Amino acid sequence: DAGITQSPRHKVTETGTPVTLRCHQTENHRYMYWYRQDPGHGLRLIHYSYGVKDTDKGEVSDGYSVSRSKTEDFLLTLESATSSQTSVYFCAIKGWVTDEAFFGQGTRLTVV
Amino acid sequence: KQEVTQIPAALSVPEGENLVLNCSFTDSAIYNLQWFRQDPGKGLTSLLLIQSSQREQTSGRLNASLDKSSGRSTLYIAASQPGDSATYLCAVTPEVGTSYGKLTFGQGTILTVHP
Repeated sequence: DAGITQSPRHKVTETGTPVTLRCHQTENHRYMYWYRQDPGHGLRLIHYSYGVKDTDKGEVSDGYSVSRSKTEDFLLTLESATSSQTSVYFCAIKGWVTDEAFFGQGTRLTVV
Repeated sequence: KQEVTQIPAALSVPEGENLVLNCSFTDSAIYNLQWFRQDPGKGLTSLLLIQSSQREQTSGRLNASLDKSSGRSTLYIAASQPGDSATYLCAVTPEVGTSYGKLTFGQGTILTVHP
């Protein structure tokens, strides 16, 4: 699993509340990513990071922000959750040697 | 914009059959292609990674091929087993220097292998 831990694994929150999802990795990988998976859309990139404090937007970044203050942690924040952000969120890293991507177990977020 | 298509969307086969899953992509300027497996409610498990300079990769009963110029990849599963039942996803990384390993995914093929 490339030492990737996502927390929480499940969360139910109300519309308009802020939510932060955490991705923690133990193998000092430089590149980290947040994807969301939705029926009919597949997996889509939200934000990614190529180093500490170096982040950029992906395909579906509206309504999301990220922070990476340490190599091992990549945080995804929904500033004001909406029902359209109900989804399964996956964190991923890119391996050092082969560029192979490895994924966390996912966080199922429900916004009611 | 890169688009990745997987055919068929779903496949049901009897145990023991050899099968092929297809993945096509519209922009041939890729750096690599990766096949994943996803079990219901779980994360993605990497199966095979093919670099753009390679033609195929093998792991056990799995063989993935890549034809970059035609924008196609196939995943061949030999002697399928019920435990192979899962969703199979392919994803490509663009060739451009600042791609940072970003993946574009297909929608997946749902495979069911029945005893």
